[in-house]
Amino acid sequence: DGGITQSPKYLFRKEGQNVTLSCEQNLNHDAMYWYRQDPGQGLRLIYYSQIVNDFQKGDIAEGYSVSREKKESFPLTVTSAQKNPTAFYLCASSIRGRDEKLFFGSGTQLSVL
Amino acid sequence: GENVEQHPSTLSVQEGDSAVIKCTYSDSASNYFPWYKQELGKRPQLIIDIRSNVGEKKDQRIAVTLNKTAKHFSLHITETQPEDSAVYFCAASGRNTGFQKLVFGTGTRLLVSP
Repeated sequence: DGGITQSPKYLFRKEGQNVTLSCEQNLNHDAMYWYRQDPGQGLRLIYYSQIVNDFQKGDIAEGYSVSREKKESFPLTVTSAQKNPTAFYLCASSIRGRDEKLFFGSGTQLSVL
Repeated sequence: GENVEQHPSTLSVQEGDSAVIKCTYSDSASNYFPWYKQELGKRPQLIIDIRSNVGEKKDQRIAVTLNKTAKHFSLHITETQPEDSAVYFCAASGRNTGFQKLVFGTGTRLLVSP
């Protein structure tokens, strides 16, 4: 199950707290993505990055922030502005970001205390 | 923007039967249609994909068909086995966007009973 690693597997957030989800890949992929998975709603795109030091908002970016300082790493911060953060978060990567296979991490389940 | 609808949300079949999952999309410019399988507690994995210049694609027991005119595509699984039990997601990706902005369907939970 190597290739793309997410940590932690489970994360709990207190009211008003920012939390950061880690995503690392050793596939030498240019593109990386964050998806949110809620029961019955499929996967929704939060942010994506096609190249180091560049990233774009997806469909549900409000309350989230990302950085892409290294090709291998694409951490997601869930800020206190995200009022409903409880969800399963999936990181993914692809070679170039153009209509190709996505490689997913094993996910992080975020819950609110 | 693109909107993808997926049906049914749940599908129960007996081992050996066929299963069909259908998706419709709204953007006629979409040209890439992958299917992902997510087993319980595991990450989604690509099982098959099709591009708009092809009407059908097969890989052993799995096939996908695409009807561009009607803007729908379907996943067909023949001779189902218990290990086919999982949630299946369809997706569609737009043309010339410069990046892969997949829009996913809401998923179909397939249960194959022995």
